[in-house]
Amino acid sequence: QKEVEQNSGPLSVPEGAIASLNCTYSDRGSQSFFWYRQYSGKSPELIMFIYSNGDKEDGRFTAQLNKASQYVSLLIRDSQPSDSATYLCAVQGLYNFNKFYFGSGTKLNVKP
Amino acid sequence: DAGVIQSPRHEVTEMGQEVTLRCKPISGHNSLFWYRQTMMRGLELLIYFNNNVPIDDSGMPEDRFSAKMPNASFSTLKIQPSEPRDSAVYFCASTGGGGRDTEAFFGQGTRLTVV
Repeated sequence: QKEVEQNSGPLSVPEGAIASLNCTYSDRGSQSFFWYRQYSGKSPELIMFIYSNGDKEDGRFTAQLNKASQYVSLLIRDSQPSDSATYLCAVQGLYNFNKFYFGSGTKLNVKP
Repeated sequence: DAGVIQSPRHEVTEMGQEVTLRCKPISGHNSLFWYRQTMMRGLELLIYFNNNVPIDDSGMPEDRFSAKMPNASFSTLKIQPSEPRDSAVYFCASTGGGGRDTEAFFGQGTRLTVV
């Protein structure tokens, strides 16, 4: 079983809609969770991180964490074509904060 | 800071040849990572260093792969001999701090094609 699982997509949403991206993880003791965005041909870049149960909002992005169910999600409100990219979920190692486990990513297409 | 710098950006080589990928982490960062990304397997951690010391190389696929970090500002990933299945994008990343909100900064990657 992989440490981090994501649906590969593609997920297609119309411009202005809410895009919902999900991620599950296997290590119940994991503490910190990250969402990275990767445009085609580019390197991953951090969007936001979360380590407390509940929601964390940053502009149009909201990360949601449910440790009991071992999933983390990313909501993108008012989706724009420029949000079209692959979104990678990453989980920080339980005993080693320098070790990150990445999911394979979900490809998001926002259609004008 | 210029960010994490990788070279070359693209490498095409023949099967059996030695390939060396290079990385310069962000100044002051004490951890460096080598990842490999493919469509089939996603982003895989190959090895990471902390303070120039290899900590976990469990992701290195075979003995054909080796990595070094002779000093805080330089690391190499070497494949010898290379095989077509090694074709992928190789990313180097670095982090500083080591807290639970640690952000990994990625280089632009090296696209390796082995023919």
